[in-house]
Amino acid sequence: KAGVTQTPRYLIKTRGQQVTLSCSPISGHRSVSWYQQTPGQGLQFLFEYFSETQRNKGNFPGRFSGRQFSNSRSEMNVSTLELGDSALYLCASSLGAGKTYNEQFFGPGTRLTVL
Amino acid sequence: AQSVTQLGSHVSVSEGALVLLRCNYSSSVPPYLFWYVQYPNQGLQLLLKYTSAATLVKGINDFEAEFKKSETSFHLTKPSAHMSDAAEYFCAVSATDDMRFGAGTRLTVKP
Repeated sequence: KAGVTQTPRYLIKTRGQQVTLSCSPISGHRSVSWYQQTPGQGLQFLFEYFSETQRNKGNFPGRFSGRQFSNSRSEMNVSTLELGDSALYLCASSLGAGKTYNEQFFGPGTRLTVL
Repeated sequence: AQSVTQLGSHVSVSEGALVLLRCNYSSSVPPYLFWYVQYPNQGLQLLLKYTSAATLVKGINDFEAEFKKSETSFHLTKPSAHMSDAAEYFCAVSATDDMRFGAGTRLTVKP
């Protein structure tokens, strides 16, 4: 079974631009979570989608948004990029809701650099 | 509410020495517990998980962890560190609808 895939793997943008990152979960997984990872702040939860609905949200500004499609693929968008948005963005998928189904499988991440 | 605390953001051991990474959890219901490892510029990989069966859980690469309810702990150990074990390690808890990760512990292995 194919793992979680994220595209692109690397991205360079300039301040003020916007960016869209994509995540394809493991087949059969209905939940997708997004995390931002930086050396200073560590692993920070952005949001989680389950069956096309946002189920949980972290403490990030509205410039960060996401969505999930009917095939469980998910995208996250960051508008008006700032230097501080440079990070590794990780996507994780799980079967669904509830602790029995919460084990998360991570993709390789997208490395975003904002210049 | 559930949460995880990893004691020590950095741990350094010599090659061949015991590895001990500490994790304490807080949960109002019986939790599932996980340890993940992350190598540079990669995603997180599952090392092992506790799902209420045996309290001593064995994972990949000779890592193991013991669930101690009385101490609300789930510490990760490995008898003999290898250079290849140098990475960041994350403890996570799942007790309700979501999963919470600790801040991570960076393991350095000295030759």
